[in-house]
This record gives sequence, C-alpha cells and structure tokens, in this order.
Amino acid sequence: DAGVIQSPRHEVTEMGQEVTLRCKPISGHNSLFWYRQTMMRGLELLIYFNNNVPIDDSGMPEDRFSAKMPNASFSTLKIQPSEPRDSAVYFCASSPDMNQPQHFGDGTRLSIL
Amino acid sequence: AQSVSQHNHHVILSEAASLELGCNYSYGGTVNLFWYVQYPGQHLQLLLKYFSGDPLVKGIKGFEAEFIKSKFSFNLRKPSVQWSDTAEYFCAVKGNSNYQLIWGAGTKLIIKP
Repeated sequence: DAGVIQSPRHEVTEMGQEVTLRCKPISGHNSLFWYRQTMMRGLELLIYFNNNVPIDDSGMPEDRFSAKMPNASFSTLKIQPSEPRDSAVYFCASSPDMNQPQHFGDGTRLSIL
Repeated sequence: AQSVSQHNHHVILSEAASLELGCNYSYGGTVNLFWYVQYPGQHLQLLLKYFSGDPLVKGIKGFEAEFIKSKFSFNLRKPSVQWSDTAEYFCAVKGNSNYQLIWGAGTKLIIKP
C-alpha cells in the first residue's frame, strides 16, 4: 500500500504565480479530500470528491482556487494567482468510501512570497 | 452548531506519566469519532476510531479512547507515555453516513525525556 502521494513536498513561489498541487489517492479509494492547515485556522476542508465528481466545494476560499479530478488516480489543486495569505500546508486525503477513515498524504508546504 | 472542543492546547508530561486528552463534541444524531496524530513535520495518521459497539476503543501505540455518549466525550488515554509520543493530537467527529469530518483545534503534547 503506497499511501496517498502528494507533490511537491515544498513549494516556494512569488505572489501572482500559478501554483499546482498534485495528489494520487490510494488505489480503490473513491473519496478524495483536499485540506488546508494553518496555525490560525487549523484544518479546513477545501473540497470533497466522490467517484471523481466534486460533491462539496464550499470550503474553497475564493475563485482563485480550483480543483480537478480527471480520473480515479489523480487530482490537482490550483491557485491562480497566488497570494501570501495562501501560505499553508495543503493535505490530500482519501478513503475507501465516505464512511471510512481518511488516509492523509505527507502534504505540500506552500510559501508565497 | 457542530463542533469539537479539545480542552488543552498544550500538554507537557514526563516520560512514563499517564495521559488523558479531552475531546467533547456537539453533533446531533449518530456519530463516528476519530483520533488522529501528527508527528512533527509529518502527515496525520489515524490512531483509533469509534463507529459502534464497545465504547472503549483500543488503537495503535498503546492508545485507547472511551466514548461516553451522555457526556458527548471521546477522551484519549495512554497509561505510560514515551518521548516518541511528542506530537499534535486531533479529535474529529462526523455523522454516520456523512463525509465531512469536524476537527478539533488539536492538542500539542510534549514529552520530556
């Protein structure tokens, strides 16, 4: 079991640049979650996919954020244009179905200068 | 409103001390409960979960938690902590057949060697 794989592990970029975060869920898991973790706000759910379909994107902060899941083994979270307040650790998690515990990736530590 | 409250933001203990981290939740209906651990610089890992049945749940690394429905609590315990237990611990709740986890703010645990 390879676990949830995220890339990159770290990203440092200047404000205004486009940032793309990637996630490969565990094979066979049909639920995928994107979270943001900051000291001030803790863990926030950004978006939830079920069977590759976005079910709940109410946590996406604003239109600068978008997420896709083109197939069962890949998802992206994009920020365009990025701003310093987007600096955070972004986690992807997957689960066999929505009733089962979520398995987290190692996260992407994003710094926007 | 649905919420999870973790009573202590920081706990400092010496090795071999006993541990109890508090978690109270506000959620209507049948709940599923979780404790996750996040070691420094790492991703969240599932410690234990409660779905139904015996309210005393045993997890990995010698941790256990007790679901007390009347008190809306799910406290985490360990009889004798080790230095390697230094981490942040998160309590989370979700409704049965609901995808969204409601997260506590986390408790940072420091074990002095």
